[in-house]
Amino acid sequence: EVQLVESGGGLVQPGRSLRLSCAAAGFTFDDYAMHWVRQAPGQGLEWVSGITWNSDRIGYADSVKGRFTISRDNAKNSLYLQMNSLRAEDTALYYCAKEDSGSFRDGMDVWGQGTTVTVSS
Amino acid sequence: SYDLTQPPSVSVSPGQTASITCSGDKLGDKYAFWYQQKPGQSPVLVIYQDSKRPSGIPERFSGSNSGNTATLTISGTQAMDEADYYCQAWDSSTVVFGTGTKVTVL
Repeated sequence: EVQLVESGGGLVQPGRSLRLSCAAAGFTFDDYAMHWVRQAPGQGLEWVSGITWNSDRIGYADSVKGRFTISRDNAKNSLYLQMNSLRAEDTALYYCAKEDSGSFRDGMDVWGQGTTVTVSS
Repeated sequence: SYDLTQPPSVSVSPGQTASITCSGDKLGDKYAFWYQQKPGQSPVLVIYQDSKRPSGIPERFSGSNSGNTATLTISGTQAMDEADYYCQAWDSSTVVFGTGTKVTVL
């Protein structure tokens, strides 16, 4: 079964760090680009970051550039998001999503259930 | 930055056709993708590359994209189609999501 399982969310104080993980199963992980997408409570979808199959291209939303770092370990079928200098506005449900191609051109055909990040003092 | 604009809400009667628009500068020069999200659930891709349906998506979902507007059409709308819908496109190496449309089946 194709699935993505996120972990690492939680309650964190402003200015602190958190690392999200996404474990992939049921498909050839290193064939596909991967993304993080977040959704603040009651709000729409916001793309956070993406990484191509071999990590040669990485993109970030302006809202997280310089604070967040995406990475992947193809040997472990895992995607990561290192989040530093967290702000209240980073509070959201964070989804891991698989792109239906290896490089940035297609839609996201598999989504995880998400992990919740709450930034509050 | 590149923006995609959708109407906040669309209402449709059961069995009728719902059309959801997504507007962006020269959007027709890019591929448009559409996602359905029901309350408490993760998004589901319902249209890719403007008009293609992934396996398992009913035929009543269709898409088009030309000029500055992409359109998702739900023909013969059913109660189960009540959800939020988001368009998406690529702008260079960044993903852009539309503002989202809540479809209500009255």
